[in-house]
Amino acid sequence: KAGVTQTPRYLIKTRGQQVTLSCSPISGHRSVSWYQQTPGQGLQFLFEYFSETQRNKGNFPGRFSGRQFSNSRSEMNVSTLELGDSALYLCASSLDGSGNTGELFFGEGSRLTVL
Amino acid sequence: GENVEQHPSTLSVQEGDSAVIKCTYSDSASNYFPWYKQELGKGPQLIIDIRSNVGEKKDQRIAVTLNKTAKHFSLHITETQPEDSAVYFCAAGRETALIFGKGTTLSVSS
Repeated sequence: KAGVTQTPRYLIKTRGQQVTLSCSPISGHRSVSWYQQTPGQGLQFLFEYFSETQRNKGNFPGRFSGRQFSNSRSEMNVSTLELGDSALYLCASSLDGSGNTGELFFGEGSRLTVL
Repeated sequence: GENVEQHPSTLSVQEGDSAVIKCTYSDSASNYFPWYKQELGKGPQLIIDIRSNVGEKKDQRIAVTLNKTAKHFSLHITETQPEDSAVYFCAAGRETALIFGKGTTLSVSS
């Protein structure tokens, strides 16, 4: 069974640009969550999608957005990039949702560098 | 919202020693408390979890305890091995999203 796949794995952008990251969850998983990981802040929750609807949202500015498609694949977008957006962006899938069913299955992340 | 504090941020032990990582949470409604291990270059992976109707759970060398009254939970690793070296994250949540602690870097030297 294939794991969670994130693309691209690495990317470099400049301030002011926008970026789109993609996540393909484990087959059959309907929930996709996104996290930002930085050395000082650990894993910070961005948002969770379930059946194409945003179910939960973290405390990030509106520049961070996401969506989920009917096949459960998800994308997140960051507009007007800032230096502080440099981070590892992790996607995680689960059957129903992180709190209810338990295990989140993480991808290896997309490493974004903003210059 | 939920807030999770994790201590220590770094922990160094000798092979064979025990390691303990502690977390506190703020939302008394949280009912699910997993622990994740992240190795270099990989995403976090679940190693053990506990729900609020259980006080302790053990899986081989790993155990987790939960004190709901004090709102804290701990990870215990016994007989540590070099392959236990990694970053460990605690998390707390309920029907909403999981909120993670900032992580503990565990180094096991042989």
